[in-house]
Amino acid sequence: AQSVSQHNHHVILSEAASLELGCNYSYGGTVNLFWYVQYPGQHLQLLLKYFSGDPLVKGIKGFEAEFIKSKFSFNLRKPSVQWSDTAEYFCAVNAGNFNKFYFGSGTKLNVKP
Amino acid sequence: EAQVTQNPRYLITVTGKKLTVTCSQNMNHEYMSWYRQDPGLGLRQIYYSMNVEVTDKGDVPEGYKVSRKEKRNFPLILESPSPNQTSLYFCASRGQGLIGTQYFGPGTRLTVL
Repeated sequence: AQSVSQHNHHVILSEAASLELGCNYSYGGTVNLFWYVQYPGQHLQLLLKYFSGDPLVKGIKGFEAEFIKSKFSFNLRKPSVQWSDTAEYFCAVNAGNFNKFYFGSGTKLNVKP
Repeated sequence: EAQVTQNPRYLITVTGKKLTVTCSQNMNHEYMSWYRQDPGLGLRQIYYSMNVEVTDKGDVPEGYKVSRKEKRNFPLILESPSPNQTSLYFCASRGQGLIGTQYFGPGTRLTVL
């Protein structure tokens, strides 16, 4: 089975700090990659996705992610976080059978005002 | 408004009492899927459906059933719930074939006593 690893389980930052959340996956073939965000009490929303082309993907709310195939990684970044970015972030992979999705265990981000 | 709806949103039940969680989407999506979310484990896929009458197992299908008799609906059935099925459940749908974005419902919090 495929696996998705998010190494940071809980991150605490002050406003304006830079953010990088790690995501590694285990599949060696073609992959589709996603980052989702879940604000407290809400459902998951797509931040950004990578299917092909430019490995640097820009998403909503100033987030971006870089696909590094050689490292099986898809790290999420934001240059300057805001208090409203407090949420849980999930990396997900769609691989092989593109009908199956594999999610990481999530990273809880707390941004202090 | 394009959306995925789930009912009920909250449910407390007892071991062995059959229950159904409904999921409906109004986007004419062919693909639908069910996930459970547990602390520290992220989301795990239970079942998915590529189209009407076409379903397949995800990573954690034991104890669950699904059906897809109509394109818009994809109910999740627990015929004999057990306490280890206490979880937060999300339904999702995807359009545009294999590269479409998944849209998630608001979640159903299930407690099995």
